This record gives sequence, structure tokens and C-alpha cells, in this order.
Amino acid sequence: DAEITQSPRHKITETGRQVTLACHQTWNHNNMFWYRQDLGHGLRLIHYSYGVQDTNKGEVSDGYSVSRSNTEDLPLTLESAASSQTSVYFCASSSSTDTQYFGPGTRLTVL
Amino acid sequence: KNEVEQSPQNLTAQEGEFITINCSYSVGISALHWLQQHPGGGIVSLFMLSSGKKKHGRLIATINIQEKHSSLHITASHPRDSAVYICAVKNFGNEKLTFGTGTRLTIIP
Repeated sequence: DAEITQSPRHKITETGRQVTLACHQTWNHNNMFWYRQDLGHGLRLIHYSYGVQDTNKGEVSDGYSVSRSNTEDLPLTLESAASSQTSVYFCASSSSTDTQYFGPGTRLTVL
Repeated sequence: KNEVEQSPQNLTAQEGEFITINCSYSVGISALHWLQQHPGGGIVSLFMLSSGKKKHGRLIATINIQEKHSSLHITASHPRDSAVYICAVKNFGNEKLTFGTGTRLTIIP
């Protein structure tokens, strides 16, 4: 069965370190998204991609970057982790005619 | 930018009750999604609809395009329905979703 996975599921890091969160989908979807979820804010879009080599900034993109070298993967990089980036991160994918399928989430703590 | 509002923010009900969660948005959309998130859990898509009504088991979703409003109903509610329900809309011309802040539903046995 097709699926979308994220790794790691939990991560503790220190301020200033570079962190990469992986997202892998086997739906063969063109569209992929990264969100963060914080209490009181709901889901907010960080970056998104509509296909290979395409990346776009979302509403809270500062301090984050993504790259899309193939259809299956959209890794999210925190260049220099900050305590404000402590959050739960969700990856999602979709086709143009279907719903978004969400990964299980990564809980990131920046100390 | 589409503004998505959900009501109520929190809802507690007894097992067996009929539940209604509402969602309104400000700008016309191509589709509306209802999502479910259990405590500490992932996010699951329940419905995607652009008109009318959809039903899956005890869950029913309706949308009124003219009034820019959607409702999610749960019949014969059960404690396992306890979760956060999130409304999200997709605007015309792009694939991004705009999310409501969610409704936390608690069903007491």
C-alpha cells in the first residue's frame, strides 16, 4: 500500500545545530507540503513543492529550507535551530484531484 | 487570504449524542476538507467535498457553497470519536490548504 513516512519521529537538538527532517511518499504525488503545528496556531505551511526541482515558501518559511530532487522525497532543513522552532512537524502529499495525505509527524525539541 | 473559522472550539457531549461542528470561510473555494486528529496522533482526512453531502459510516459532511459554510455531523457519538476535527479549504488555482484552528471534541461514556 502507498504511504507517507517521516523520520525521525522524535528529535532533540541544541540551539544553532542544523537539523534535517525526512519525508518520503510512495503515492507518486507531485504535490508535497511541510507544516508545523503549535498550540493556538493550528497547522501552518512552511514550504511546499509542486514537482521535482520546484519549491515555494509558505507563511512561516524563515529559518527553513527544502529541496526536491525526486518525486518521493521532500526533506526539511533547519539551518540553525532555534527554540522557537520547537514544534510538531507534519509532511503531506497530494495529487491535484485528491485529498492531502499526512505523515505521522516529527516532534522536534530545540534546547 | 481565506479566513477559516470553526465553531465551537471545544465540545463535550455524552455518548450517543448527535454532534455538529461548523466551518465557515470567507472566499470561494474549490474544495473543503475535514480532518481528524486523535490526541498525540497523526492527521487523517475524513472528507473532501466541493458540493452537497458525503457520508461515511456515522459521519456526514455537508457544504453550502453560496453561504460559504460546511458542517460535520457525527451520529450516535462514541468515546473513540474524541479527537480534534479540523476544517481546511483549498482555494481556486492552487493546491495549498488554509486551516481552521480545530474543534476539540470529547465524548463521555
